[in-house]
Amino acid sequence: EPEVTQTPSHQVTQMGQEVILRCVPISNHLYFYWYRQILGQKVEFLVSFYNNEISEKSEIFDDQFSVERPDGSNFTLKIRSTKLEDSAMYFCASSGFTSTDTQYFGPGTRLTVL
Amino acid sequence: GEDVEQSLFLSVREGDSSVINCTYTDSSSTYLYWYKQEPGAGLQLLTYIFSNMDMKQDQRLTVLLNKKDKHLSLRIADTQTGDSAIYFCADAYGSSNTGKLIFGQGTTLQVKP
Repeated sequence: EPEVTQTPSHQVTQMGQEVILRCVPISNHLYFYWYRQILGQKVEFLVSFYNNEISEKSEIFDDQFSVERPDGSNFTLKIRSTKLEDSAMYFCASSGFTSTDTQYFGPGTRLTVL
Repeated sequence: GEDVEQSLFLSVREGDSSVINCTYTDSSSTYLYWYKQEPGAGLQLLTYIFSNMDMKQDQRLTVLLNKKDKHLSLRIADTQTGDSAIYFCADAYGSSNTGKLIFGQGTTLQVKP
């Protein structure tokens, strides 16, 4: 069964460093998402991406964040200068042909900022 | 903004039914989802219901939707120890046409043998 994959599973970085989290969505899906879950808190929407552009972003998704689909298969989330409060589990999701199609989530990348 | 709320914890005995409840505020919700998260793992889609349905059954899972009260429940029949996990209710926020999901805080289901 097709699945969303994410790498790395765990990333440790120093405050102020740039990180790139990688996701491979399900092949032929058209809609892509990033969510994050700070330990003990709700899963929060960060950004949705369709047709090579951001379709919606949350207040959390400030200028330090960016997303890219560099090669038609990967979908990346970049955090330019990490802060302690960026420590969280980051989930990538993809859905099929419309924005109301079911979203399938990857296993997550745990980001720890020291 | 729109919100989804769930109770935090539920404990049941193996073989009993579990009922996990969720309330939401979105008046234009399109779909509502239940996801399961096991320790250290990602979000696994369990089931979903379209907002014009009242009930959906899928093997041991029954989803009930009361749209008037904006209340969603997930019933797990014959609960097993393997069902122990965190269960998230999520609303496909209807006012957004981008697929944005709004999640509840998750209900930890503990199944005692």
